[in-house]
Amino acid sequence: AQSVTQPDIHITVSEGASLELRCNYSYGATPYLFWYVQSPGQGLQLLLKYFSGDTLVQGIKGFEAEFKRSQSSFNLRKPSVHWSDAAEYFCAVGRRALTFGSGTRLQVQP
Amino acid sequence: EAQVTQNPRYLITVTGKKLTVTCSQNMNHEYMSWYRQDPGLGLRQIYYSMNVEVTDKGDVPEGYKVSRKEKRNFPLILESPSPNQTSLYFCASSSISRGLAGGSNEQFFGPGTRLTVL
Repeated sequence: AQSVTQPDIHITVSEGASLELRCNYSYGATPYLFWYVQSPGQGLQLLLKYFSGDTLVQGIKGFEAEFKRSQSSFNLRKPSVHWSDAAEYFCAVGRRALTFGSGTRLQVQP
Repeated sequence: EAQVTQNPRYLITVTGKKLTVTCSQNMNHEYMSWYRQDPGLGLRQIYYSMNVEVTDKGDVPEGYKVSRKEKRNFPLILESPSPNQTSLYFCASSSISRGLAGGSNEQFFGPGTRLTVL
């Protein structure tokens, strides 16, 4: 069965600092991997996705993620965080049935 | 405007009273899905559909039904709601990637339906 683990429930960073959100997955074949962001009271928006090819994926809002098959990871990174990045971030895996992680809530300090 | 719409946005009901939450998309997407979101649990998939008349169970299908009679609509039906179905529900749609193992591309989410079952 497929699964996703986001080990960090809550992360606080200072504005301008770098960010890395962790995601580990379990999947029987080459996975489709996604990162979504949810602002308070809003639906989900796709940040980036990995299907195949280059393991470093660029997304919107300056985010990137790296697929590491050997570590079963798909960590999300941003070099310099903005206050508007405060939100909840979800990693997801799957092709037809989709499994989401439990989310990481990001707080940004001024 | 490309969008996924859900109705109602808020619903308070009582145990055992059948209800339907509608979902409609105008992007001609083959794939549609329902999720519930609960604190600390993230989103859990209830049902998904790869095309008209094709539906499959997700991780938490118990107590829910769906139908896909038209490509644009994917209603979620609770025949006999119970308090443990109190949750925030999201509908989503996407195109499908081609190939033997084609799956869901980027999913577009509706605004959510907050359901309370008393």
